Amino acid sequence: EVQLVESGGGLVKPGGSLRLSCAASGSTFSNVWMSWVRQAPGEGLEWVARIKSKRDGVTTDYAAPVKGRFTISRDDSKQTVDLQMNSLKTEDTALYYCATGGPAGTYFDSWGQGILVAVSS
Amino acid sequence: AIQLTQSPSSLSASVGDRVTITCRASHGISSALAWYQQKPGKPPNLLIYSASSLQSGVPSRFSGSGSGTDFTLTISSLQPEDFAIYYCQQFNSYPFTFGPGTKVDIK
Repeated sequence: EVQLVESGGGLVKPGGSLRLSCAASGSTFSNVWMSWVRQAPGEGLEWVARIKSKRDGVTTDYAAPVKGRFTISRDDSKQTVDLQMNSLKTEDTALYYCATGGPAGTYFDSWGQGILVAVSS
Repeated sequence: AIQLTQSPSSLSASVGDRVTITCRASHGISSALAWYQQKPGKPPNLLIYSASSLQSGVPSRFSGSGSGTDFTLTISSLQPEDFAIYYCQQFNSYPFTFGPGTKVDIK
């Protein structure tokens, strides 16, 4: 199992940008597929983005609401996965978790504690 | 995108009760379904994967069943620590999607 710690959240104005980072330890990070999942205040869970491992092509997938605005990336040498968020909207306000697990990162048995992103004027 | 619905949206139960939560997918997803438990201020905790496989460390009172479009999470004898929100998640295809959740509280 991998341990995950998110950082980089905060308050940003609509239209602004923010970069989240997730530091991983305790596993062979380079082989795992990583995802970001968010949870708006008082709401349910929403999968945001996923990045494959280098050996699987480092390809990415995004949820429709963030496609074209968010970019997920990874640095295996630092064991981190980042989420660059541009053109932020008020509806992006949420607790953002990085998560992984299962074969090809399909279901999530490892979660960070989450980092809060607040988009408000 | 595959949509997941859960029923009921909330339920009240007593310690010792048998509890059943249903998750329905808008399209067939084979057995590509997971169940999570979430308590206030905590990240979700994986209970069941691949519809019926119990995650390591999860008590055996939790079980999952189903395939295709209809799935069930059962808690055989509800314990005080089980009061929480339960979510299903499909991983058959991208985008991954979660159900809206079922809140289990104390009667």
